[in-house]
Amino acid sequence: GAVVSQHPSRVICKSGTSVKIECRSLDFQATTMFWYRQFPKKSLMLMATSNEGSKATYEQGVEKDKFLINHASLTLSTLTVTSAHPEDSSFYICSAPRPRGISNYGYTFGSGTRLTVV
Amino acid sequence: GESVGLHLPTLSVQEGDNSIINCAYSNSASDYFIWYKQESGKGPQFIIDIRSNMDKRQGQRVTVLLNKTVKHLSLQIAATQPGDSAVYFCAENMGDLSEKLVFGKGTKLTVNP
Repeated sequence: GAVVSQHPSRVICKSGTSVKIECRSLDFQATTMFWYRQFPKKSLMLMATSNEGSKATYEQGVEKDKFLINHASLTLSTLTVTSAHPEDSSFYICSAPRPRGISNYGYTFGSGTRLTVV
Repeated sequence: GESVGLHLPTLSVQEGDNSIINCAYSNSASDYFIWYKQESGKGPQFIIDIRSNMDKRQGQRVTVLLNKTVKHLSLQIAATQPGDSAVYFCAENMGDLSEKLVFGKGTKLTVNP
């Protein structure tokens, strides 16, 4: 249990366009989700905490107008990369805390989205 | 976790040997730690976790050791197999109500047949 589905897995877009990435909790409700960014051969960097029904909390240095996060329901958080540029090309991963009571309490991760901006 | 700006350290072992991957964490208030394995192009895969009230926890072929005095975490993999080749990350829960999980810089493990 506690599966997170992330979509799309890969996306290529032109500079200046916006891209939306979805993260869905399939069999549990997630009031909180986390968005990470990962550059090649680097670690996962926490970008923001997505909170259901309220504004996201962004980590220092992350542009909130650039990376729009919406968490409108208990099962869906979206990250929109606005006016994308080549430097936004990266691997984006979402995560949600597993519900307490499920074995291996921890976090469940989406499979990631490879964004390439050309 | 450590700086995400550094390149991944690497560890190369022979198949069948034991592997030890180390991690230094940053926040003395962190109370929950997890080791993840990540293969290329995929999301992190849970390996084992440990709470701050423990100093050792064992799983199948894996052991995590926690030394809170020096803020150090290690992952031991017994009888390493080629399928263990991946990047391994430690992650810490910051110990506050946010439930944020912060990743360390990772180690690339290569298992030679």
